Amino acid sequence: GAVVSQHPSRVICKSGTSVKIECRSLDFQATTMFWYRQFPKQSLMLMATSNEGSKATYEQGVEKDKFLINHASLTLSTLTVTSAHPEDSSFYICSAGLAEKLFFGSGTQLSVL
Amino acid sequence: AQSVTQLGSHVSVSEGALVLLRCNYSSSVPPYLFWYVQYPNQGLQLLLKYTTGATLVKGINGFEAEFKKSETSFHLTKPSAHMSDAAEYFCAVSGNDYKLSFGAGTTVTVRA
Repeated sequence: GAVVSQHPSRVICKSGTSVKIECRSLDFQATTMFWYRQFPKQSLMLMATSNEGSKATYEQGVEKDKFLINHASLTLSTLTVTSAHPEDSSFYICSAGLAEKLFFGSGTQLSVL
Repeated sequence: AQSVTQLGSHVSVSEGALVLLRCNYSSSVPPYLFWYVQYPNQGLQLLLKYTTGATLVKGINGFEAEFKKSETSFHLTKPSAHMSDAAEYFCAVSGNDYKLSFGAGTTVTVRA
């Protein structure tokens, strides 16, 4: 089946630094990718929809200047957490789809010290 | 807008017993419904989905779910639990834009 690769799987950074997370569709082209965030013991919350060649669409309450999304090619979307703070510590997951078939990456655990 | 409510944050079953995970949805458009499983430190794996057609949907690992429009439900079942079924399960709903709204999740533990 289709595979979505997400990297890194775990990152620890200092407060104030920026972190980039990559999401790649390995065997299909994805014009649309989704970025989710999951706090401990909670569900996934959609952050934004990443569209190839255009600006991302952010959900209400998500700071677009804080969470920069770039979808430069049909197989790669990146999420950059800028000037990270401890409250940004979370599990971030991307997904990419073919019609109604959505495939998820394995997630990135971000810990900001 | 769509939303999902999963009843019960934690379910404990004996190995070989029935697994029943409850999910009710709210949607202003015909819903697409999904069940996902998440193992520790991993992403989500699709168990099954309902888009159109037959209301009883069979998925992987022996799971199935039935879409009941009158009850706005999409409960997940498995006749006989296995130790490997221990995981977190999420119900999700979307419209035809495939932007998923997830439930809070249900943790399943299986007792030997």
